Amino acid sequence: AQSVSQHNHHVILSEAASLELGCNYSYGGTVNLFWYVQYPGQHLQLLLKYFSGDPLVKGIKGFEAEFIKSKFSFNLRKPSVQWSDTAEYFCAVYQAGTALIFGKGTTLSVSS
Amino acid sequence: DTGVSQDPRHKITKRGQNVTFRCDPISEHNRLYWYRQTLGQGPEFLTYFQNEAQLEKSRLLSDRFSAERPKGSFSTLEIQRTEQGDSAMYLCASRGLVSYEQYFGPGTRLTVT
Repeated sequence: AQSVSQHNHHVILSEAASLELGCNYSYGGTVNLFWYVQYPGQHLQLLLKYFSGDPLVKGIKGFEAEFIKSKFSFNLRKPSVQWSDTAEYFCAVYQAGTALIFGKGTTLSVSS
Repeated sequence: DTGVSQDPRHKITKRGQNVTFRCDPISEHNRLYWYRQTLGQGPEFLTYFQNEAQLEKSRLLSDRFSAERPKGSFSTLEIQRTEQGDSAMYLCASRGLVSYEQYFGPGTRLTVT
């Protein structure tokens, strides 16, 4: 069965620090990859997505992610985090014919 | 607001009672999904509909759970004879036929006492 692993459960950063959150998935076929974010008290929102083409995708609020097929990875990055980036981040995979499969999430805490 | 809406937002019930949740998807979206999220976990797939047809059910969806989407518009998720283990956030999402992007509602938080 398809699975998604997020390496970090809780990340604590100071403002302006760089961020990289790891995500690995298990399926070797064609997949669509997503990062969702959940800000405190809000619902899940799409941060960015990869379907095909350029493996470096850019999302909202300065986030980007790189799809590396050989490593089954889709890591999320941001060069300089802000206090407002404090949230829970979920990596998800959509395999044709199924629903989204989510990782367990990474809680990001940014101190000002 | 044209996003996905869910009702109620919170539900507290006693063990053994039945509960029903409602989801109203984005109007032009023909696919509707139900997920369950517990503390420290990502959302887990329960079931999904394409229009009014329920196309897939997860093994997490025990026989106490039933979902419907009459007329392919809103959907309901019913849990019969609730158990404490059913306490969770129940999320609804919808998407269009072509795009793989799913849009999530705010969820219904169920607490079974």
